[in-house]
Amino acid sequence: QALLVESGGGVVQPGGSLRLSCADSGFTFVACPMHWVRQSPGKGLEWVTVVSTNGVNAYYADSVKGRFTVSRDNTKNTLFLQMNSLRRDDTAVYYCARGSPGWSFFDSWGQGTLVTVSS
Amino acid sequence: QSALTQPASVSGSPGQSITISCTETSSDIANYASVSWYQQHPGKAPKLIIYDVSHRPSGISDRFSGSKSGNTASLTISGLQADDEADYYCASYSNTVTFDWVFGGGTKLTVL
Repeated sequence: QALLVESGGGVVQPGGSLRLSCADSGFTFVACPMHWVRQSPGKGLEWVTVVSTNGVNAYYADSVKGRFTVSRDNTKNTLFLQMNSLRRDDTAVYYCARGSPGWSFFDSWGQGTLVTVSS
Repeated sequence: QSALTQPASVSGSPGQSITISCTETSSDIANYASVSWYQQHPGKAPKLIIYDVSHRPSGISDRFSGSKSGNTASLTISGLQADDEADYYCASYSNTVTFDWVFGGGTKLTVL
């Protein structure tokens, strides 16, 4: 199955910004909505955002609305997450996940990239 | 905000069957028929094991099965194996006012 590979994680100070990327090696990227899901250390999964196949529509969890922006480049099979005004509670492993065509489930997941917000 | 409630932990011996419940505690979920389940081993990414309540993706063992009754979905694992020890999450989404996905809190399965 096609792989999703995230990159761009690291350590950032509170209030800072970071941009995550997710490269899809498969052939179905353009046909699937794409999600970001995060997991704080020792905690459960939290959905963050989804972007439609053409990149026009995006939806966000209340916890990141107004601070995070999702986008995609279908010519490069790549998903992005621009994270601004980062807070300590944004510290988490961020996974990109391929959505089902019907939007109802997360079909496959990347290995995740760790974002640590700390001074 | 909707919520999906799972037991924090379940356990079973090899060869036994266990069931993990996932109860929707809000009326905001308009399409709870789309419950899905994910398995996550420590330090690994989640993996889809059940979608749309009871469907298994290709390559997932038929020891995993899903069902739903009222506002409670269930994941049953039969013939427990050591490798089944993992965290399990249910998920669903709401499309009433906007799109919003919710995960259950997760259940730690211990194979004794």
